Amino acid sequence: DIQMTQSPSSLSASVGDSVTITCRTSQNIDNFLNWYQQKPGKAPNLLITATFSLKSGVPSRFSGSGSGTNFTLTISSLQVEDFATYYCQQSFSTPRTFGQGTTVEIK
Amino acid sequence: QVQLQESGPGLVKPSETLSLTCSVSGGSMTSTYWSWIRQPPGKGLEWIGYIHFTGSTDYNPSLKSRVTISLDTSKRQFSLILNSVTAADTALYYCARDHYYGPGSYNWFDIWGQGTLVTVSS
Repeated sequence: DIQMTQSPSSLSASVGDSVTITCRTSQNIDNFLNWYQQKPGKAPNLLITATFSLKSGVPSRFSGSGSGTNFTLTISSLQVEDFATYYCQQSFSTPRTFGQGTTVEIK
Repeated sequence: QVQLQESGPGLVKPSETLSLTCSVSGGSMTSTYWSWIRQPPGKGLEWIGYIHFTGSTDYNPSLKSRVTISLDTSKRQFSLILNSVTAADTALYYCARDHYYGPGSYNWFDIWGQGTLVTVSS
């Protein structure tokens, strides 16, 4: 299985801050990396596919980068609605695996 | 617009069988894959497995000996069976559309059900 390591596990930030979440994989997955946002009591919501591509309707303040084993999700100017838990997920091979999640909390 | 809805018992006794159904409304069930994913309370996400409309399946090795996923396109449903459950199987179970077109293609979970909580307890 491909192991996923997200960091940090949680962070506190203010509205308007820029935040970066890192995802590392145990082997090269090229660009087969997706990001999801999950709010309490809700199903995960797809944000970014194939490392870079924003799902239609996702605000442009979200961006993804990386390749190989190192990936990042950046939120350029946090909004109130962005406070949530974020998961990376590799789609290079099965079993599909997820990072442990990063919770973005209000400072 | 495809929508998914999980259904099934919310309480299962240890050693018994968990059985869930995902009903698919809107869109087509063909040409893509359908997955089950679970999330223990307060924890992260675990992919259970998927099924293609042709009936082809793939399961997480950690659960493979206990899992069966099946599909009934005439009823617009796919199902999960998990045998010999323990407390460790207590989780929110999600069904999801696996936007995947075969080996080598980018893929992602683009549509999710709301999830159904299954508790394993006597």
